This record gives sequence, C-alpha cells and structure tokens, in this order.
Amino acid sequence: GAVVSQHPSRVICKSGTSVKIECRSLDFQATTMFWYRQFPKQSLMLMATSNEGSKATYEQGVEKDKFLINHASLTLSTLTVTSAHPEDSSFYICSATMLLTLAGATQYFGPGTRLTVL
Amino acid sequence: DAKTTQPPSMDCAEGRAANLPCNHSTISGNEYVYWYRQIHSQGPQYIIHGLKNNETNEMASLIITEDRKSSTLILPHATLRDTAVYYCIVTRTRRDDKIIFGKGTRLHILP
Repeated sequence: GAVVSQHPSRVICKSGTSVKIECRSLDFQATTMFWYRQFPKQSLMLMATSNEGSKATYEQGVEKDKFLINHASLTLSTLTVTSAHPEDSSFYICSATMLLTLAGATQYFGPGTRLTVL
Repeated sequence: DAKTTQPPSMDCAEGRAANLPCNHSTISGNEYVYWYRQIHSQGPQYIIHGLKNNETNEMASLIITEDRKSSTLILPHATLRDTAVYYCIVTRTRRDDKIIFGKGTRLHILP
C-alpha cells in the first residue's frame, strides 16, 4: 500500500517551454502533497506544500509564478515548470501524506521525474 | 537547517548488521524520529519512525535513547540492495508538517 506515482519519469524539453509533472497517490487519499527538487550529489530541497483545494505554500526562494502547483483532488497534484531554462534541470520528487491514518506525518514518495532543459 | 546530525558515510559488510547513528539533541517532546532512505536516482523510501519506545518492522529496528537525544537505525542483515543514503529526520505528526532533509549517511554495503 501507500504507492505514489509520477509521470513522466523523464522529460527533455527546449528552453522556454513549459513542462507539467503529475503526482498521484494510487491507493490512498492524500490531504497534503509536497514537491521537492534535488540537484546532483545534493539532498532534497522542499519547494512547496500543497493541500487539496487550496493554494500551495512555497518555500523561501521558490518562484510561485515559475513553479505552478495545482492540487485539484485528493489523489492528484501537478507541478508545471513554466518557461523552463537549463538551470531548472533537476530531479523533481513529490510525496504525499495520508488523509485518514495513524501514520501522521509519514510521507510516501514518488519515484521522481528527471527534467533536462536544453 | 536540519535538526539532526549523521555521519556522512559508513561501510558495512554484507550479511552483518548495519547500525546507523543519529543525534537529535534539540528534539521537542512532540517530535518523532523518522528514517527514510534514498537509493540512487529513486524517490526516498519510508523505513520506520518512533517517539520514545524502540520500534521494529520488517525492514529495520529503531533504538531511541531514554533522553531521546539520539537514536540508531539497525538493518539486521544488510544486503547490497541496502546501499543508499539514509536520512534521520525529526518532525511532528501533523500531515502538513514539512520535512527538512539533511545530508544523511551514505551507507556502502561491501560484498
């Protein structure tokens, strides 16, 4: 149980285009989803916290107009990287916490999406 | 900044127990200790968590000191597939509480 999927797993795009990454909780309802970014040889950096039906809360230094987050349902959150540039190339990972559980803050992570901007 | 301190790397022989330490001297009374691991190029995987009692599941055991200022994750019989970066995290149990990842411990399992 507690499976989180991401799509696509890899994407290559040209500079200036927008890319959408989907994060789905497959077998549970997720009240909260998180988006992280990870550069090579570094740890995960939290970008934003997303609650279903409300606006995402972005971490300091993360541009909300560049990284658009939509959490329209209890099983789906999307991250859109708008006008992507080579410096946005990274490994993007989402996670989700269960709506009804004693697990509390346990986050279940997706497999990640590797974005390469040419 | 992360609220935990871990050694940057450790080696363990295959088949032996891997004991990964973590210091969390500023942990609050309502914070839990969580362990995750990240195998190369994958998303992190939840391992175990605890408040003050020792915990065990099918993956690992978690030993928390009585003063809760440190803990040890034990992988009882390490295999090559346990090679990963292990993150020790302290956090409350609200569903929207965020996790701050530190650098973790890179565990190498030696054949």
